[in-house]
Amino acid sequence: GENVEQHPSTLSVQEGDSAVIKCTYSDSASNYFPWYKQELGKGPQLIIDIRSNVGEKKDQRIAVTLNKTAKHFSLHITETQPEDSAVYFCAASNDNAGNMLTFGGGTRLMVKP
Amino acid sequence: SAVISQKPSRDICQRGTSLTIQCQVDSQVTMMFWYRQQPGQSLTLIATANQGSEATYESGFVIDKFPISRPNLTFSTLTVSNMSPEDSSIYLCSVEWSSHRTGELFFGEGSRLTVL
Repeated sequence: GENVEQHPSTLSVQEGDSAVIKCTYSDSASNYFPWYKQELGKGPQLIIDIRSNVGEKKDQRIAVTLNKTAKHFSLHITETQPEDSAVYFCAASNDNAGNMLTFGGGTRLMVKP
Repeated sequence: SAVISQKPSRDICQRGTSLTIQCQVDSQVTMMFWYRQQPGQSLTLIATANQGSEATYESGFVIDKFPISRPNLTFSTLTVSNMSPEDSSIYLCSVEWSSHRTGELFFGEGSRLTVL
């Protein structure tokens, strides 16, 4: 089955700096890669996703890149703000096969004001 | 997106007891899932809640321990049976609500269970 590795497990940045979280996946058939943000005491919230037919996607301060050959994808947050502090999870699935999402281990991002 | 309500939001339970968690969605959804998130850990899929039939369980999870119901397209329950402290976790209801499979999942706020 699919295996998703996520790094780093914790990340501390100064407000205004950029943050990058990286994930690798094992199943070359995976074609859907979402990112979730989980704030304390809340459920995960989908913040951005990318499918295997594109290499990059942006939404304001967040962007995701995908390298299918290397089987890794990354989340980039620019101009970080204290409200970006949360746990971020990457995930992967092959939705053509009806497979469920496999989640990475999570990254705790702390943005210091 | 759908509004997903879970009850209870949190509970403290005694060893050996069972607790049922409810998940209510404000619109009909195609797929409903139950996830477990152990303290400080990632999300692990317990099962897919199938409407009108038995749930589909992932490896390591069994119906006797985690019975699931889904009587209609907007409601599901997960029971954690004969609880032990190892069952202390956040249990999350998740839905995929588009008419065709896109993989996008939306989560409820979770039910945080502490077993003493």
